[in-house]
Amino acid sequence: EVQLVESGGDLVQPGGSLRLSCAASGFTVSSNSMSWVRQAPGKGLEWVSIIFSGGNTYYADSVKGRFTISRDNSKNTVYLQINSLRAEDTAVYYCVRDPQPLSQGSLYYGMDVWGQGTTVTVSS
Amino acid sequence: EIVLTQSPGTLSLSPGERATLSCRTSQSDTGNSLAWYQQKPGQAPRLLIYGASSRATGIPDRFSGSGSGTDFTLTISRLEPEDFAVYYCHQFGSSLFGGGTKVEIK
Repeated sequence: EVQLVESGGDLVQPGGSLRLSCAASGFTVSSNSMSWVRQAPGKGLEWVSIIFSGGNTYYADSVKGRFTISRDNSKNTVYLQINSLRAEDTAVYYCVRDPQPLSQGSLYYGMDVWGQGTTVTVSS
Repeated sequence: EIVLTQSPGTLSLSPGERATLSCRTSQSDTGNSLAWYQQKPGQAPRLLIYGASSRATGIPDRFSGSGSGTDFTLTISRLEPEDFAVYYCHQFGSSLFGGGTKVEIK
C-alpha cells in the first residue's frame, strides 16, 4: 500500500527548531518529487517546499532560509528541518508525493499521495 | 504576482443538486497544470482532478473538471452526502492554491 506517515510535530517556543519526518511505504521517495504543504488553523493550503528526484530543492519565499528539506534514501524518508520558528508557522504540515511533468508544459498529474499531517504549534 | 481566485467562497446546496465551482488564475494556463483537491474536516486533502479535466484514480464520474486559459471549473453533477467539503484548485508552476470553496448542506 502506498502511504506517507508524518511525525515530529510539537509545541515549540518562538525561535525554536523542529525536524519533521515523513516515512514512505509502497514507493521510493528518491524516484519521486516530494513536497511539504501546510495549513494554518482554519486557513487554506500553502505549498512550502519540494525536493526533486534529482535532489534539487525549492522553497516558498515565506520559509526560505529557515526551512530545509532533505531525504534519507536508505530510510525512504523525507525530512523538513524548521528553524527560527514564528507564530505564523503554526500549522498542520502535510508530506505529499508530487510527481513533476516530464517536460515544461506537459501534463502535471497532481499531488497524488498525502500523509495524515503533523501539527506544529509555535507559542510561548 | 500570480493569484488563484476561487468563487464562491461558500456554496449552499442540497443533496442531489449540481455544484459548480470556479477557479480563476491570473496567469494563463493550457490546463495541463491545474488540479483540484477535496478536503473534509480533520482529513488530508485528496486529489480529484489533474490536467484540468482528468479524474484521479477512484474518483467518481459525478466529478468533472473543465476550462483553459484563466478560467477553470469543477462540477459535481449530483451532490452526494459525502461530497460536502472544501475544494481547492492548485496550479503547478506557481505552486499556488486557491483560497477554497466550501460546499455546505443547505
